[in-house]
Amino acid sequence: QQQVKQSPQSLIVQKGGISIINCAYENTAFDYFPWYQQFPGKGPALLIAIRPDVSEKKEGRFTISFNKSAKQFSLHIMDSQPGDSATYFCAASKGGSQGNLIFGKGTKLSVKP
Amino acid sequence: NAGVMQNPRHLVRRRGQEARLRCSPMKGHSHVYWYRQLPEEGLKFMVYLQKENIIDESGMPKERFSAEFPKEGPSILRIQQVVRGDSAAYFCASSPPGHRETQYFGPGTRLLVL
Repeated sequence: QQQVKQSPQSLIVQKGGISIINCAYENTAFDYFPWYQQFPGKGPALLIAIRPDVSEKKEGRFTISFNKSAKQFSLHIMDSQPGDSATYFCAASKGGSQGNLIFGKGTKLSVKP
Repeated sequence: NAGVMQNPRHLVRRRGQEARLRCSPMKGHSHVYWYRQLPEEGLKFMVYLQKENIIDESGMPKERFSAEFPKEGPSILRIQQVVRGDSAAYFCASSPPGHRETQYFGPGTRLLVL
């Protein structure tokens, strides 16, 4: 059972456009939702994260939108640049004694110049 | 402040050999997580450790895999009698006290089993 579903699998955007990646989750116990960026041959890098008590969080060109009732959250990359071309992963975590992240399968973003 | 360090970065083993992967967390971080990534897949949780304790190993295969985080030194993920299906990228992440879920990842170890 896939607990975090991510779409699309791949995305092509023109330079300057908006990239949108969506994730949906099932478990209402999740209380932390980060996004990671991964370049080929590198480890995932934490981009931005949100908790369910807010509906939106913005850091520079990156924005997370969170819809608690729909159990969905999305990453928006404004003014997309070729250097943003990477694989993006959403994840979710429960609190308590755990904290391990459950990842989506990833979205490969390609920004065309 | 150095990030999470992992070594080796690449490891080649023949079937039946042992693989030892090392992870040094960021300074001040007390939580260590190991994840495995298969090609074109997301990361899958394996084990969560604090110093001298395994907190959650629900993602670890029942046989051949073990992990430790001793009082001194790096965390070690050990795979005995490797098989071709163990070929993957293994990532370690660490997080600071009180913020388990805020995890910073190392560069990974790419294991290839011939």
